[in-house]
Amino acid sequence: SQTIHQWPATLVQPVGSPLSLECTVEGTSNPNLYWYRQAAGRGLQLLFYSVGIGQISSEVPQNLSASRPQDRQFILSSKKLLLSDSGFYLCAWSPTGATGELFFGEGSRLTVL
Amino acid sequence: DQQVKQNSPSLSVQEGRISILNCDYTNSMFDYFLWYKKYPAEGPTFLISISSIKDKNEDGRFTVFLNKSAKHLSLHIVPSQPGDSAVYFCAASHTGTASKLTFGTGTRLQVTL
Repeated sequence: SQTIHQWPATLVQPVGSPLSLECTVEGTSNPNLYWYRQAAGRGLQLLFYSVGIGQISSEVPQNLSASRPQDRQFILSSKKLLLSDSGFYLCAWSPTGATGELFFGEGSRLTVL
Repeated sequence: DQQVKQNSPSLSVQEGRISILNCDYTNSMFDYFLWYKKYPAEGPTFLISISSIKDKNEDGRFTVFLNKSAKHLSLHIVPSQPGDSAVYFCAASHTGTASKLTFGTGTRLQVTL
């Protein structure tokens, strides 16, 4: 069966520090991968998605970047965090070519102080 | 521009009664709709979906209704149980966008004893 795991689960970082959140998927190949963010009082906002290694699409202008160095690995990064980067970050995957259902990881709570 | 809207941030329902969660959308290109359930500090889990070729889909206690002319969908939970207490997100996508879901802001359901 397929599983998705992301880490760390909780992160407290000072403004201006770097960020790296990692996500891996097991039990499937060539998945579509996604990074979403849930900010306080808001819905889930799509940040990045990827349909293959090295292929990253950004949905919103922001202080973050994403990379997919391996088929089932998706990394969310920042060189210098802002206060507004605080939120709950969710990695998700879907089968190639599928329309609809996403499978989410456990989430990572980022607090920028 | 919020293309998927859940205008009720919270809802309280007594155990055994019906819970009705509503969702409106503005993008007429959307042709697939989903509901996700989310507990605190966890990733959302898929609950039920409906294609635009249908107006109703049922799965056990959960039924989703779609009114395309009104661009409105609703989730009915009957009977409601305390374990249903969670945040419910409505999401939508359209063919050709893989699983790039657009989410609403969520409705917090509290099922009371």
